[in-house]
Amino acid sequence: SQQGEEDPQALSIQEGENATMNCSYKTSINNLQWYRQNSGRGLVHLILIRSNEREKHSGRLRVTLDTSKKSSSLLITASRAADTASYFCATLLSGYSTLTFGKGTMLLVSP
Amino acid sequence: DAGVIQSPRHEVTEMGQEVTLRCKPISGHDYLFWYRQTMMRGLELLIYFNNNVPIDDSGMPEDRFSAKMPNASFSTLKIQPSEPRDSAVYFCASSSGTGSEKLFFGSGTQLSVL
Repeated sequence: SQQGEEDPQALSIQEGENATMNCSYKTSINNLQWYRQNSGRGLVHLILIRSNEREKHSGRLRVTLDTSKKSSSLLITASRAADTASYFCATLLSGYSTLTFGKGTMLLVSP
Repeated sequence: DAGVIQSPRHEVTEMGQEVTLRCKPISGHDYLFWYRQTMMRGLELLIYFNNNVPIDDSGMPEDRFSAKMPNASFSTLKIQPSEPRDSAVYFCASSSGTGSEKLFFGSGTQLSVL
């Protein structure tokens, strides 16, 4: 089964609004990564957050990690139509060497 | 750098035919990964290589699937014989590390087996 589970499965917002996506996982991790996938394209790395970090920022992106709750969130501020894509979290489980991907959140940003 | 290059972008074939997918990783990356993406199962790791050597192929679904990496700049994923349930998008990704580093994905090959 997938280690990381994103929530919601789909999200529809207006341009300028903030979008928040969540990822929950079941066992301890070394790091958690967020990727974006535009329709018909490959995944693009957004942010990597390590297990000893609580928050990271990159431009309009903010990622938080709560290891006690085994969850992470991705916040996109002031969204744009170009942010329309699927967003995936990927976890590196403790003791493992490869990432496990969730099924993603589909974000639709309407002009 | 051109990024990870996959070919073909689309492949339509008939059941029973051999299918070969190709990948050129980013120069200097020691790790190469093959993933399969479907609506039902999401993104699954099939196999990964380190310095051209297969490290973990536990995700390869059946003996019909095989992968090779003859040199640092080229890898193939072969399905023989192909079946309709193999229809999916196949991605190649490369990295300078395994899970501790970010992955760079190619644009994928959309495979349809009729």
